[in-house]
Amino acid sequence: DQQVKQNSPSLSVQEGRISILNCDYTNSMFDYFLWYKKYPAEGPTFLISISSIKDKNEDGRFTVFLNKSAKHLSLHIVPSQPGDSAVYFCAARSYHSNYQLIWGAGTKLIIKP
Amino acid sequence: DTGVSQDPRHKITKRGQNVTFRCDPISEHNRLYWYRQTLGQGPEFLTYFQNEAQLEKSRLLSDRFSAERPKGSFSTLEIQRTEQGDSAMYLCASSFGLGALQNTGELFFGEGSRLTVL
Repeated sequence: DQQVKQNSPSLSVQEGRISILNCDYTNSMFDYFLWYKKYPAEGPTFLISISSIKDKNEDGRFTVFLNKSAKHLSLHIVPSQPGDSAVYFCAARSYHSNYQLIWGAGTKLIIKP
Repeated sequence: DTGVSQDPRHKITKRGQNVTFRCDPISEHNRLYWYRQTLGQGPEFLTYFQNEAQLEKSRLLSDRFSAERPKGSFSTLEIQRTEQGDSAMYLCASSFGLGALQNTGELFFGEGSRLTVL
């Protein structure tokens, strides 16, 4: 049972444009959502998070939107830069998972020059 | 601070052999996590320590897997009688927190130890 789904294995975006990465979840008890970024041969690094009591969180070029009714969150990167090319993971936690993170399968973002 | 370090970075072994991975977390972090990641998937939680106490183990962690954190600093993950299905990237992460609700999920990961079982 995949509780966190990233349905797009890859996404290609022109440099300077907006990148939108999507994530869907099934567990309405998730109370915290996170995005991690992973370069090849490196471990994931934390990017941005959002509590379930909010619908938007912004940090520089990165904004995460949460739509609880649709059980959907998205990560917007504006403007996209070549260094943003990486795999992006969506993760969530809940009391039912003892607050351990449940991860999506990731979306590979390719920024074209 | 050099971050989370893992050793070895890559291990190739034959089926049936035992392997051990080591993780050195960020020094001021009291929490340490082990995850497993296979190709095309996100990390899967294996186990978690707060200081030297192993507080949680996933159902994924069969009895062939054992993890320790004897002095609340570095940790080892041992896999006995390896099987080809154990081939994966084993990731270690650390964080600081005093209670479950403080686990907001911001983890600091090492570069991982890739296991290949022939």
